[in-house]
Amino acid sequence: AQSVTQLGSHVSVSEGALVLLRCNYSSSVPPYLFWYVQYPNQGLQLLLKYTSAATLVKGINGFEAEFKKSETSFHLTKPSAHMSDAAEYFCAVSERSGNQFYFGTGTSLTVIP
Amino acid sequence: DGGITQSPKYLFRKEGQNVTLSCEQNLNHDAMYWYRQDPGQGLRLIYYSQIVNDFQKGDIAEGYSVSREKKESFPLTVTSAQKNPTAFYLCASSIERRQGYTGELFFGEGSRLTVL
Repeated sequence: AQSVTQLGSHVSVSEGALVLLRCNYSSSVPPYLFWYVQYPNQGLQLLLKYTSAATLVKGINGFEAEFKKSETSFHLTKPSAHMSDAAEYFCAVSERSGNQFYFGTGTSLTVIP
Repeated sequence: DGGITQSPKYLFRKEGQNVTLSCEQNLNHDAMYWYRQDPGQGLRLIYYSQIVNDFQKGDIAEGYSVSREKKESFPLTVTSAQKNPTAFYLCASSIERRQGYTGELFFGEGSRLTVL
């Protein structure tokens, strides 16, 4: 089975600073990769996904992520944090041949004014 | 608007009672999933279904049951056999994965179950 590692369960950044949330996966074959955001007591919303097209993927709300096969990573970035970015972020992977999704344990982002 | 509706949003249960969480989708998706979310543990798969009248156990199926009688509906029953049922439950759906389509998950708003 796949595994997904999100380094740092809590990340704090100042408003206007760079956001970097880390995600590594364990697969020899590049899977499909996703980043989701969750606000308190709500479901998950898709931010962006990697499907083997461009390695730099742009998503909603100014977020982007870069797929690096050599590092088995799919880190999420945003150049300038906004207060509204405070939320929980989940990285997920899915094997190309299956219908199961594997989630990381999440990273809680705090934005300091 | 298309989407996934979960109900109830909040539910309280006494120990020893079964409860059923509703999940309905009007996205015409083939696959549906139930996840359990606990603080610091991410999402764990309880059950999933890729087609009507068929479903598969996930990683933590013990103490739970599901049915898939209609494409739109995938209710989850939390039975009294589930030792620690207090959690946030998320229902999701996706188009059946086929060649060339990634089939990302679409989520409902969740149901928070508290056992008193």
